[in-house]
Amino acid sequence: GAVVSQHPSWVICKSGTSVKIECRSLDFQATTMFWYRQFPKQSLMLMATSNEGSKATYEQGVEKDKFLINHASLTLSTLTVTSAHPEDSSFYICSAKTGPQGQPQHFGDGTRLSIL
Amino acid sequence: GQNIDQPTEMTATEGAIVQINCTYQTSGFNGLFWYQQHAGEAPTFLSYNVLDGLEEKGRFSSFLSRSKGYSYLLLKELQMKDSASYLCAVTDSWGKFQFGAGTQVVVTP
Repeated sequence: GAVVSQHPSWVICKSGTSVKIECRSLDFQATTMFWYRQFPKQSLMLMATSNEGSKATYEQGVEKDKFLINHASLTLSTLTVTSAHPEDSSFYICSAKTGPQGQPQHFGDGTRLSIL
Repeated sequence: GQNIDQPTEMTATEGAIVQINCTYQTSGFNGLFWYQQHAGEAPTFLSYNVLDGLEEKGRFSSFLSRSKGYSYLLLKELQMKDSASYLCAVTDSWGKFQFGAGTQVVVTP
């Protein structure tokens, strides 16, 4: 089945640091990748939709200059949290899907980000 | 936009059956997904419905009524490992997903 790999799984860093998270589709080409954030006991909140070779589409309220997304190939998307602060601490999850409608999103294992 | 409602929590005993309801309002409906998410882990895909009716997959079944904007996930022969959050997600004609807040299922011995 479709596999999505996300790294790192856990990051602890100081306030002001920039953190890069990678999302790779291992056995399929992902035309679209999604980045979510999830706070404890809350649902997945879509941050942005990333299409290969084009600029990401950000959801309302998500700062594009703070959360930089690059989708350089059909198998890799990266999310960089720039100048991270404690309020950015959260569980970040990527997902990927192929083009056809009706295909499920396949999720990476998530990245737990803790900013001290 | 899309509004998705599902119960916050349900408790059932091992071996029992539990039905998780999901109602939605959306423009351009193009399918409904159910995911299972264990604490601290990413969601895993369970089922997909786009036409009215019941889809059965082992102990799990999912039902959809498009006219009523309603779906349910049925979990049979509950096992302790089924304790998790179950997310209802609706996709529109642009392929965009909207997730419900999730239903926490607690299975007791």
